[in-house]
Amino acid sequence: EAQVTQNPRYLITVTGKKLTVTCSQNMNHEYMSWYRQDPGLGLRQIYYSMNVEVTDKGDVPEGYKVSRKEKRNFPLILESPSPNQTSLYFCASSPMNTGELFFGEGSRLTVL
Amino acid sequence: QKEVEQNSGPLSVPEGAIASLNCTYSDRVSQSFFWYRQYSGKSPELIMSIYSNGDKEDGRFTAQLNKASQYVSLLIRDSQPSDSATYLCAVKTGGSYIPTFGRGTSLIVHP
Repeated sequence: EAQVTQNPRYLITVTGKKLTVTCSQNMNHEYMSWYRQDPGLGLRQIYYSMNVEVTDKGDVPEGYKVSRKEKRNFPLILESPSPNQTSLYFCASSPMNTGELFFGEGSRLTVL
Repeated sequence: QKEVEQNSGPLSVPEGAIASLNCTYSDRVSQSFFWYRQYSGKSPELIMSIYSNGDKEDGRFTAQLNKASQYVSLLIRDSQPSDSATYLCAVKTGGSYIPTFGRGTSLIVHP
């Protein structure tokens, strides 16, 4: 089954404790991206990647890191989480340049 | 700054009616247009893509694109309570890998 898998789905953590949200897709898509979604603000892009070892900042990259060492994986790293990073996070992938995004199920993160 | 504007709603329609969702965009060179449906607490799901002026129909859904007026709309015929969700409009230019999303319109279909 074609899918984008994120883990963990739910996480409660404390300020400053490093965490990683994993994202994996099995569709051989070149393009992957991370979004956060907050009430009233819609989907905001954090980082995206057009292929292995190619990443770039989206609209709200501060406080986040990403890596793309393999085509299928695109982890999101929060080196020192803060309460303003409490949000619902989505990973998405698409075939190159189509714009047709396939989303993971989401990861709800709470930073205390 | 590319902008995609949607009325946040909620848009409330009775069951069986036609729901009309609208989206305007600012970038004249936009080439690809998408509608995503998002149920509460779930991830967005692509329901329609449209690339050229006119109408595109898929079952009860019709996407309409007017590039001259810079708007794209989604019509849902015979609306059902299961259509109640937030509908996100996304727009992409040919030279960009990144679609820009609107903030979404909440649709409520009441029995």
